[in-house]
Formats: sequence, C-alpha cells, structure tokens
Amino acid sequence: NAGVTQTPKFQVLKTGQSMTLQCAQDMNHNSMYWYRQDPGMGLRLIYYSASEGTTDKGEVPNGYNVSRLNKREFSLRLESAAPSQTSVYFCASSELAPGLTEAFFGQGTRLTVV
Amino acid sequence: GIQVEQSPPDLILQEGANSTLRCNFSDSVNNLQWFHQNPWGQLINLFYIPSGTKQNGRLSATTVATERYSLLYISSSQTTDSGVYFCAPGGGNKLVFGAGTILRVKS
Repeated sequence: NAGVTQTPKFQVLKTGQSMTLQCAQDMNHNSMYWYRQDPGMGLRLIYYSASEGTTDKGEVPNGYNVSRLNKREFSLRLESAAPSQTSVYFCASSELAPGLTEAFFGQGTRLTVV
Repeated sequence: GIQVEQSPPDLILQEGANSTLRCNFSDSVNNLQWFHQNPWGQLINLFYIPSGTKQNGRLSATTVATERYSLLYISSSQTTDSGVYFCAPGGGNKLVFGAGTILRVKS
C-alpha cells in the first residue's frame, strides 16, 4: 500500500519553462491537496480538490493550475516557472473534506527554478 | 483564517530528556494533526487529535479544543526524534500549518 505517491522527487527548471507535478493516492480518498513549503516555514495550501471534478484555490494559488484527473490523481502545473516558485511541494489526501479528517502526505518534490 | 502559533521555535535536548511542545490556534477547529518532519523531509503523521488525549509509545498529545490549544509530549527523547514538529488545525476546508518547532536531540 503506497499511500500518496509524487513524481518527480527532484526537478530543476529554467525560468519560463513549464512542468507538471504528478500525485496519485491509492486510499480511495475523496479530497486531495497541494502544499508548498519554503525554508523555515510551515506548509501553505496552493489548491485543493474536495471531490472528483472540483478544485478550489488555497492560500497561494498564483502561478499554478491544477487538474483532478480522476479520484486517484491530482496534478499541479507551473505554466511559466519563476525563481519564486523554488520550493518543496507536497501532495496530500484525506477521506473527507479537507480539514475534517486525517490527511496523509506524499514524500515531496524538491523544485529549483534557476 | 485560522492563526497558528507554535512554541518554542527551537529546542535542544540531551538524549533521555522530556519535552512539551505547544500549539495555540485562534478559531474553533474540527480537526488537529501533529506531524514530524524528519531530516530527509518526510512528513510523518503522529496524531490525529481533534480533542482529548492520545498516546503512542513515548509520545502523547492532548488537545483542549474549547481553550484552543494542543500539547505534544515527548518522553525519554532519542536522537531519532530530531526534526521539525508541526501542528495543523483543520477548519474551513483546509489544514493550516504552524511554523513548527525545530527539535535537536544530542547524544
């Protein structure tokens, strides 16, 4: 039972390049989220999906887009990467609505934009 | 939105010592989780504790939702306990993370 799986684990991009971070969960959870973590800080919510077919903005959505491809998969896209998007990105899932039930996190994607 | 304050921000312990980490939050919440981020960056679930007290080995947690705080107790600390401890209250459709407590356990 893998839980929440993120790919890739590491990525270096040049300013202006695009990429998609992939996330999949095998726990049959309804809700999925993307967070970013900057040095010395806690995690901040970028986008979340309370159920298949719905997405909502979190605290820091600018510069990102998301797709809830199906119940298992939730991807995060950077259309034109900027150095300010250098961060560690975490995907998470929970059975019910975000904030109501226990959330489980992936291992993170360390992204550097040069 | 919910404001989260964790204390202390930094803590250095000698192996075998006990410690208490505190999490204060500003609003009523439906959920609260404690996480340990190890030196490799992984977020490990410690407790899901909207209210009451739970224990898991050397760790225990207490949340007093009516007074808007939670405590994480670490007893007989080990070097493997080093890392960052986050509390994350939940409400308004999201978990909100505190800035964390950095714990260093020395042998």
